[in-house]
Amino acid sequence: DAGVTQSPTHLIKTRGQQVTLRCSPKSGHDTVSWYQQALGQGPQFIFQYYEEEERQRGNFPDRFSGHQFPNYSSELNVNALLLGDSALYLCASSIYRQDNYGYTFGSGTRLTVV
Amino acid sequence: AQSVAQPEDQVNVAEGNPLTVKCTYSVSGNPYLFWYVQYPNRGLQFLLKYITGDNLVKGSYGFEAEFNKSQTSFHLKKPSALVSDSALYFCAVRDGGAGNMLTFGGGTRLMVKP
Repeated sequence: DAGVTQSPTHLIKTRGQQVTLRCSPKSGHDTVSWYQQALGQGPQFIFQYYEEEERQRGNFPDRFSGHQFPNYSSELNVNALLLGDSALYLCASSIYRQDNYGYTFGSGTRLTVV
Repeated sequence: AQSVAQPEDQVNVAEGNPLTVKCTYSVSGNPYLFWYVQYPNRGLQFLLKYITGDNLVKGSYGFEAEFNKSQTSFHLKKPSALVSDSALYFCAVRDGGAGNMLTFGGGTRLMVKP
C-alpha cells in the first residue's frame, strides 16, 4: 500500500520563476494538505483541498495556489518565486473529517530558489 | 487561533535513560494532539495522537505521551532511550471543532548519546 508520493524530490529555481509540485495521496485518502517547512522551523499550513476545492487556507499570499484532481492527487503552484520560498514542501493526506485516521505525510520536495 | 510551544530546542539524554520532550498548546475548542518525528532530509513520521479517552497515549517505537488538560500539555516520553531515537520531534495541535489544519511547534532536537 503506497503512502504519500511527492515529486520531484529536489528542485532548483531562479527568483521570479514559477514552480509546480505534485502529490499523490495515500490509497483511500481523499483530502490533501500542503505545508511549508523552512529550515529550522516547524511546518506551516498552506492550504487544504477536498472534492477539488480549497477548503481551508493558511497565512500565505496568493502567489501560492493549488489544484486537486478527480483522482485526489494535487498540485501546489508558486508564482514569482522569492528567495524566502526556499523550503521543504510537505504534502499530507487524510480522510475528510475522519479524525481518527490521522494524517500521512510524504517525504517532501526540497525547493531551492537562487 | 491555535498554537503550540516546544520550549526546548534540544534535549540531550544518555542511551538507556528515560526521555521527555515537552509540548504545550492553546486551542479554543477540544484539542486533537499529535507527535511526529523527522529524520534528516525526510518527511514527518507519525508517532501517536490524542483525540479523546485515556490521558496516557501509547504510540510507535515505545513512545508515549500524557495529555494534561489543566496544564494544556502533551509531553512525549520514553522509558529507555535508544541512539536511533535521535531525530527532530514535532508536536502538533488541531482544533477539533474547526477545520483540519494542523499547527506545529518549532520542533525539539533529541540527541541520545551512547
